[in-house]
Amino acid sequence: GNSVTQMEGPVTLSEEAFLTINCTYTATGYPSLFWYVQYPGEGLQLLLKATKADDKGSNKGFEATYRKETTSFHLEKGSVQVSDSAVYFCAHKGTGRRALTFGSGTRLQVQP
Amino acid sequence: NAGVMQNPRHLVRRRGQEARLRCSPMKGHSHVYWYRQLPEEGLKFMVYLQKENIIDESGMPKERFSAEFPKEGPSILRIQQVVRGDSAAYFCASSPAPLAGSTDTQYFGPGTRLTVL
Repeated sequence: GNSVTQMEGPVTLSEEAFLTINCTYTATGYPSLFWYVQYPGEGLQLLLKATKADDKGSNKGFEATYRKETTSFHLEKGSVQVSDSAVYFCAHKGTGRRALTFGSGTRLQVQP
Repeated sequence: NAGVMQNPRHLVRRRGQEARLRCSPMKGHSHVYWYRQLPEEGLKFMVYLQKENIIDESGMPKERFSAEFPKEGPSILRIQQVVRGDSAAYFCASSPAPLAGSTDTQYFGPGTRLTVL
């Protein structure tokens, strides 16, 4: 079936540290892949997306590359800020489906 | 262009009461999705609707839950005879009508946090 697995949190980093949040998926066909971010008390905001193998999504210094061979879409940022503290969700949308399948989320805490 | 609107933002109900959650999609979007987020968990798909049609309700509980998206007005998620286990954040998302080859990204509202006492 379709599923998304994310690394468990919380992830605690110091400001300017390098961030990686792992995400792997199982799906049939060629899903589209997404990262959403949820700030405290708010809804989800689309952070970046990729629609085919080897695509790199990027936004606000965050990047993720669609790796079909490893079925992964790891989120990276070279230098995190306190304002990046939030919960990050990896998601995919399978071929022929409209619903998103989400991972369980990874809480990031950035300390000054 | 206003984003996805949901109301109320917070809703408190006692066991056995009804909860009605409203969602107004972004302007120009004709497709609505409802997701539920239990505490400390990811979002789980519930139902996908377009105007006057339920397209996919594979994630909806079989009893007490219903959804509609009328020709005029917001989409409504209705929960009858609420129980404590219904306490969660309910998020609505919208997207435009799908185009061939498009990703049709979903845009999320701020959510309604339902608390059942």
